[in-house]
Amino acid sequence: NAGVTQTPKFRVLKTGQSMTLLCAQDMNHEYMYWYRQDPGMGLRLIHYSVGEGTTAKGEVPDGYNVSRLKKQNFLLGLESAAPSQTSVYFCASSPGQGFWTQYFGPGTRLLVL
Amino acid sequence: GQSLEQPSEVTAVEGAIVQINCTYQTSGFYGLSWYQQHDGGAPTFLSYNALDGLEETGRFSSFLSRSDSYGYLLLQELQMKDSASYFCAANDYKLSFGAGTTVTVRA
Repeated sequence: NAGVTQTPKFRVLKTGQSMTLLCAQDMNHEYMYWYRQDPGMGLRLIHYSVGEGTTAKGEVPDGYNVSRLKKQNFLLGLESAAPSQTSVYFCASSPGQGFWTQYFGPGTRLLVL
Repeated sequence: GQSLEQPSEVTAVEGAIVQINCTYQTSGFYGLSWYQQHDGGAPTFLSYNALDGLEETGRFSSFLSRSDSYGYLLLQELQMKDSASYFCAANDYKLSFGAGTTVTVRA
């Protein structure tokens, strides 16, 4: 099992450009999450999904959109990137209700100039 | 929402014991988790407390007191490889993380 994978690993964007980050998991998990981590801070939840076709806002959703068209994939979109979105983005998944352990991907480092 | 407080950094020598405290304020709470992160890599799960009391996993133990909204992670027999950031996280079907504690182990 590959676990949780993220694509790409690193990306540089110019302000105003758009991009999509892909998260894939092969553990048949119901729940998936997108976090961002900034220096000296913990992980902040952007959006999450409790099942295929469902998404919900987390703590810092502004400027991001997500989609969960397939159970194994969770996409994070930036429609118009801003320097404030420079961060490391982590995707995670968990089995679902009552099983709270989250499994994290290796992260995507995004630099917005 | 959730608010979690933990110390920003701790330094100790190999073989020592370190306790990382975590206090939380939550609007809904199922339990307290602990995660380890090395040098900005993927966070990995260490421990979870759903009920009051102590959970032991090898050299690491975690404690929860719901009445005090308090928990801690105990790292025993510290090794150099334990140098990392440790995060407490409150569960209410999603995780809310503290800012993390950087543990530095010295020889």
